Amino acid sequence: LAKTTQPISMDSYEGQEVNITCSHNNIATNDYITWYQQFPSQGPRFIIQGYKTKVTNEVASLFIPADRKSSTLSLPRVSLSDTAVYYCLVGDLSSGGSYIPTFGRGTSLIVHP
Amino acid sequence: GAVVSQHPSRVICKSGTSVKIECRSLDFQATTMFWYRQFPKKSLMLMATSNEGSKATYEQGVEKDKFLINHASLTLSTLTVTSAHPEDSSFYICSARDRGLATDTQYFGPGTRLTVL
Repeated sequence: LAKTTQPISMDSYEGQEVNITCSHNNIATNDYITWYQQFPSQGPRFIIQGYKTKVTNEVASLFIPADRKSSTLSLPRVSLSDTAVYYCLVGDLSSGGSYIPTFGRGTSLIVHP
Repeated sequence: GAVVSQHPSRVICKSGTSVKIECRSLDFQATTMFWYRQFPKKSLMLMATSNEGSKATYEQGVEKDKFLINHASLTLSTLTVTSAHPEDSSFYICSARDRGLATDTQYFGPGTRLTVL
């Protein structure tokens, strides 16, 4: 089963760039890598998704090396409102070939003034 | 991104009653939806995969008779917690899977806080 490993917590300051890396050594060939942000008592919010190389949108960048065994979410110039838990998500395949999304523990990011 | 709604956002019920939670994909059709449970300061735990027009697939340790899932249309899945007990109190979150030619993304609902007295 594919599993993800992320740092449990990170601290940063306003205006800094934050990079959160996720390891997914057993990622399957057809898996996408998706990152989510979650605030307390809310559902996860989609941030960015990629398959390989680099993806950028208006809020973040996602770097994926050629072997796809890890990925790095980059948040430019964080603010206090970016304090949240960040999850990377890859899929597993059950014995029957069904897709099973598996969340890791997530990274709790705290942004300080 | 796509929008997924959940209703109700919070519910308080007495022990022994049943509670139904609805999950709707508002701007896309989802043949697959997922139901998660989340305890305080913990990650999301997948409970079951809801497939439109067929039976749900439950994860190990999740009682299918306790947590009834129905996915009657491409935009609606429901989770019914039957004969709820205090240990069922939790934050329940659904997601809808949006699959395209170059994407495979889950969009999540806002969650439902269930409190069983």
